[in-house]
Amino acid sequence: EVQLVQSGAEVKKPGESLKISCQGFGYSFTSHWIGWVRQMPGKGLEWMGIIYPGDSDTIYSPSFQGQVTFSADNSISTAYLHWISLKASDTAMYYCARSLTGDRWSIDLWGRGTLVTVSS
Amino acid sequence: QTVVTQEPSLTVSPGGTVTLTCASSTGAVTGGYYPSWFQQKPGQAPRALIYSTSNKHSWTPARFSGSLLGGKAALTLSGVQPEDEAEYYCLLYYGGAQVFGGGTKLTVL
Repeated sequence: EVQLVQSGAEVKKPGESLKISCQGFGYSFTSHWIGWVRQMPGKGLEWMGIIYPGDSDTIYSPSFQGQVTFSADNSISTAYLHWISLKASDTAMYYCARSLTGDRWSIDLWGRGTLVTVSS
Repeated sequence: QTVVTQEPSLTVSPGGTVTLTCASSTGAVTGGYYPSWFQQKPGQAPRALIYSTSNKHSWTPARFSGSLLGGKAALTLSGVQPEDEAEYYCLLYYGGAQVFGGGTKLTVL
């Protein structure tokens, strides 16, 4: 079955680092862009950016540039979203989403999300 | 700061037809904005419905259709079902980045 499996919920303190994951199954992982989307509690979706696992090319939303880092490990078909120093305002659900092959701007598949809670 | 605007809420009767729109602060939305539409129900991940203005995914019900209407992207639901009650988001492309609309809460009543 084609799916994106995200890592489990995290509870962290402000200032801590965190890396969450998104593993692709059932398709050629290096042939599709993977995007990250934030949804703060009770709010709408926010596009964070995308990464192409084939060559690690990345595009960040200006709103998230410098705040997070995307990476990928093709040997295990996994994309990552990384924070060096979390803030309370990073508390949100984070979704990964796959784009259609050959069309980076068209999402077709979503992961179930990783809930990140940052609290002292 | 680019803003993508959707109706905050709409109500439709079962079996009825409703059109949700997606406007850009930069001007008229065209096919070059690659409009996409997503459905999200409470407690669930979003689900893709439409891409590149009007293309459906294999799982998209036939009653959903996408178009351009009056300078906006549009999502039309014809023959609305109770299970269509959800939040709907559009996504537009802006030359190297994308921006989601604020979402439309669709109530089926």
